[in-house]
Amino acid sequence: DQQVKQNSPSLSVQEGRISILNCDYTNSMFDYFLWYKKYPAEGPTFLISISSIKDKNEDGRFTVFLNKSAKHLSLHIVPSQPGDSAVYFCAASYGGSQGNLIFGKGTKLSVKP
Amino acid sequence: DTGVSQDPRHKITKRGQNVTFRCDPISEHNRLYWYRQTLGQGPEFLTYFQNEAQLEKSRLLSDRFSAERPKGSFSTLEIQRTEQGDSAMYLCASRAGQGASGTEAFFGQGTRLTVV
Repeated sequence: DQQVKQNSPSLSVQEGRISILNCDYTNSMFDYFLWYKKYPAEGPTFLISISSIKDKNEDGRFTVFLNKSAKHLSLHIVPSQPGDSAVYFCAASYGGSQGNLIFGKGTKLSVKP
Repeated sequence: DTGVSQDPRHKITKRGQNVTFRCDPISEHNRLYWYRQTLGQGPEFLTYFQNEAQLEKSRLLSDRFSAERPKGSFSTLEIQRTEQGDSAMYLCASRAGQGASGTEAFFGQGTRLTVV
């Protein structure tokens, strides 16, 4: 039973355009959500996070939106750059989980010049 | 501090052999996690330490797996009698903070295990 789902295995975007990566979750106890970026043969790198008390968090080109009623979050990258090409993982945790992160399967983003 | 460090980066071993991996977390982080990632999947939680205490273990962690964190600093993950199904990337992460949630975890570069 997957608690965090990323239904799009891949996404291709033109350089300069917006990339939108989506994530759905099933556990209503999740109170903290994170996005990680991963290059091949490396560990995940933290990108941006959002607490369940907020619906939006911005950091430079990256914005995460949270819709609690729909149990949905999305990561927007504007403008997309070729260096953003990587696998993006959505993750979630809750207070009772000791901070353990539950990950989705990832979305491979390709930004074409 | 340069972040979470894992050693070795790659390990090839024959089926049935024992292997041990090491993780050095960010020095001020009291929470340490081990994850496993296989192809096409996201990282899956294996076990968690708060300081030197191992507080949680996933059902993925069979009896052949053991983890330690002596003195609450570095951690080791040992796999005994390796099987081909153990082939994966083993990731270590650390977090700061007293709360159970609400801060990001920082990952090491992982140890890629191949069992032949």
